[in-house]
Amino acid sequence: GAVVSQHPSRVICKSGTSVKIECRSLDFQATTMFWYRQFPKQSLMLMATSNEGSKATYEQGVEKDKFLINHASLTLSTLTVTSAHPEDSSFYICSARDRTSGGAYNEQFFGPGTRLTVL
Amino acid sequence: SQQGEEDPQALSIQEGENATMNCSYKTSINNLQWYRQNSGRGLVHLILIRSNEREKHSGRLRVTLDTSKKSSSLLITASRAADTASYFCATPPRLTFGEGTQLTVNP
Repeated sequence: GAVVSQHPSRVICKSGTSVKIECRSLDFQATTMFWYRQFPKQSLMLMATSNEGSKATYEQGVEKDKFLINHASLTLSTLTVTSAHPEDSSFYICSARDRTSGGAYNEQFFGPGTRLTVL
Repeated sequence: SQQGEEDPQALSIQEGENATMNCSYKTSINNLQWYRQNSGRGLVHLILIRSNEREKHSGRLRVTLDTSKKSSSLLITASRAADTASYFCATPPRLTFGEGTQLTVNP
């Protein structure tokens, strides 16, 4: 099946630093990738939709200058948390759709998540 | 947004029993998808049911869809301890998730 990887799986950083999280589709091409954030014992909250070669679409309330998304190729999207603070500590999950198998209405494939802890 | 809402929030059963969880949504759909999340992990796609289908099976999973009531149900038969997870429904194109159903299967 389709595999999505994320790197790193865990990261601990100091307050004020920036952290980059990579999301890769390993065996398929994804024109669209999605970034979610999940706080403990809560649901996944969609942060933004990342489109290859164009600007990301952010959900209401998500600061685009704080969460920079780049989708430079059909297999890679990155999320950079700039000037991270303890309240940004969360579980970040990406997902991707296979562009060859039916487009916007097929299933999404999720990465394993990245646990960010900001001290 | 087309957010799915799952019910119940939590379900605890014994191994071997069946587990049923429900999902409601608000607008017309192309299809509805169920996902599972083990604690601290990403989501795994379980099953997709199209709007013109009423029932679908996959192994021990049975999904029904009632578009007139805008609802779906997921039945897990002969549950196992390994089925312990959170279960979510969502509809494309932009999948947004409700609180999910936390299923605990006791050995």
